[in-house]
Amino acid sequence: QSALTQPASVSGSPGQSITISCTGTSSDVGGYNYVSWYQQHPGKAPKLLIYDVSNRPSGVSNRFSGSKSGNTASLTISGLQAEDEADYYCSSYTSSSTVVFGGGTKLTVL
Amino acid sequence: QVQLQESGPGLVKPSETLSLTCAVSGYSISSGYYWGWIRQPPGKGLEWIGSIYHSGSTYYNPSLKSRVTILVDTSKNQFSLKLSSVTAAETAVYYCARVVVDSSGAHYGMDVWGQGTTVTVSS
Repeated sequence: QSALTQPASVSGSPGQSITISCTGTSSDVGGYNYVSWYQQHPGKAPKLLIYDVSNRPSGVSNRFSGSKSGNTASLTISGLQAEDEADYYCSSYTSSSTVVFGGGTKLTVL
Repeated sequence: QVQLQESGPGLVKPSETLSLTCAVSGYSISSGYYWGWIRQPPGKGLEWIGSIYHSGSTYYNPSLKSRVTILVDTSKNQFSLKLSSVTAAETAVYYCARVVVDSSGAHYGMDVWGQGTTVTVSS
């Protein structure tokens, strides 16, 4: 299974909004609403931000939102804060009953 | 509060078998969810290894399937990972996580993670 495609890096200024894309195929992202997003700070374990394309677990800020169109899912972070600087990973369930991750995106808050 | 804790040798020789255990506290494995393993080589992204249900039903990454075994021990409320014939390229932080699934076993996402344990493959 091939990794989902994410931009290597994105950046934005405090208060701005940014969007991270995650492109797969009809066998994963496009075929299921089981896309999730994770935030990972250096040296820490990943944290679930979004599941089922657009749902937030309890305790996750509503500044984080998810969407999907065709084979591409997106994570939008609004009102950027310094603490949002981290690596972000998408993942999807696949038609082979497996899970595939994206390569990760490094977010820099300028 | 659900907590997961990985444990196992931090150093494994090439061609040998990597063995890790994930102890679960605050939740009974037998109550539901799948339980999975994910790894992350230094400076690289996440890779899903596989997952297991308390019944023993498993899903594995196809690229690792021939070398991976994930087992569950409900009496100890823990699950384990064995990866055989390891190479230096498999040096990584290994995480265990709780996997949210639907009634058919489709994986929604991983909502609780262990802190991770570093495994170095070297002679």
